[in-house]
Amino acid sequence: KQEVTQIPAALSVPEGENLVLNCSFTDSAIYNLQWFRQDPGKGLTSLLLIQSSQREQTSGRLNASLDKSSGRSTLYIAASQPGDSATYLCASLPAEGAQKLVFGQGTRLTINP
Amino acid sequence: SQTIHQWPATLVQPVGSPLSLECTVEGTSNPNLYWYRQAAGRGLQLLFYSVGIGQISSEVPQNLSASRPQDRQFILSSKKLLLSDSGFYLCAWSSGDTNEKLFFGSGTQLSVL
Repeated sequence: KQEVTQIPAALSVPEGENLVLNCSFTDSAIYNLQWFRQDPGKGLTSLLLIQSSQREQTSGRLNASLDKSSGRSTLYIAASQPGDSATYLCASLPAEGAQKLVFGQGTRLTINP
Repeated sequence: SQTIHQWPATLVQPVGSPLSLECTVEGTSNPNLYWYRQAAGRGLQLLFYSVGIGQISSEVPQNLSASRPQDRQFILSSKKLLLSDSGFYLCAWSSGDTNEKLFFGSGTQLSVL
């Protein structure tokens, strides 16, 4: 059974810093891995999706990488801004039992002005 | 463009009362539809998913049920709510392609008192 872990649970950094959020998964047989952002009391917004055949995806200041062999993905945020403060969740779509994303518990990120 | 609507945004219900949460998707046909629950301090738990009208798969045995009476309508119901049903309920959809993103509604905060 796929398990997804995100460490740390919370992270606080000063504005302007580059930072990395970590995501690990136990089963490397996945179709894709997705990163989401969730603001308090809101739904999830999809940020990046990395297909199993890809190693990274970029969107603006965000870069997500995928290393299936080690069961790890990272979300790199460049030049962080207070508006980046949110909870970031990763989720993998296992190759077995498709259509069922398995989520990590998220990292709550705070960017201090 | 595709949009997902979920209502109500907040709901306070007494224990033992019924529940009906509705979700509709516009701008696409034959989407995969999902109900997730996010309890305080916990990750997202998949409750139900549907790949077509009348086709419902349950992930967690409980006193909740789901129905899909129309292609783009997904309903979460309960006959008698429990205190443990409190949480943040999220509806989501995807196109069905295993490498397509998952899109979420804005969520319903349910408090059972």
